[in-house]
Amino acid sequence: NAGVTQTPKFQVLKTGQSMTLQCAQDMNHEYMSWYRQDPGMGLRLIHYSVGAGITDQGEVPNGYNVSRSTTEDFPLRLLSAAPSQTSVYFCASSYSLPGETQYFGPGTRLLVL
Amino acid sequence: RKEVEQDPGPFNVPEGATVAFNCTYSNSASQSFFWYRQDCRKEPKLLMSVYSSGNEDGRFTAQLNRASQYISLLIRDSKLSDSATYLCVIPRGGDSNYQLIWGAGTKLIIKP
Repeated sequence: NAGVTQTPKFQVLKTGQSMTLQCAQDMNHEYMSWYRQDPGMGLRLIHYSVGAGITDQGEVPNGYNVSRSTTEDFPLRLLSAAPSQTSVYFCASSYSLPGETQYFGPGTRLLVL
Repeated sequence: RKEVEQDPGPFNVPEGATVAFNCTYSNSASQSFFWYRQDCRKEPKLLMSVYSSGNEDGRFTAQLNRASQYISLLIRDSKLSDSATYLCVIPRGGDSNYQLIWGAGTKLIIKP
């Protein structure tokens, strides 16, 4: 099993550009989520999904969209990149509720100029 | 008060020593608690779940103090490989039970 995979590993964007961060898991997990991690702060939840076709907002959803058309994939779209979105982005999954072990992808480091 | 608070450290500890750090939380209704470990520039990984009776796994012991609303992590006979950032995690609960609240982490440095 590959676990949770994320692409790309690194990305540099200019302000106003859009892009999609990819996340996939091969563990048949229902729960998937996107976080951003900034220095000195805890992981902050952007969006999450409890199953295919179901998504909901987390703590910091503005400027991001998600979709969950399959159990395996949960892409995160940045609509119009801003310097404030410079961060490390982690995708995570768990079998059902988030109170179970969260399995993380390796992260995407994003720099917005 | 933040929902989850941790001392950011760093805790500089000699190899072989015992070290402990706490995580305080504000939601008295929280039922489950977790410690994750994050190595530099890597993803977090689950270290331990914390139950009402505490939990022990080898050199690691996690305990819950509901009265004072904190969980603790004790590491005995520390190894160089224990150097990492330790993250405290709590489900938000209530209508937001699908969301986790993450502490900012406590950085631990084990010195030879």
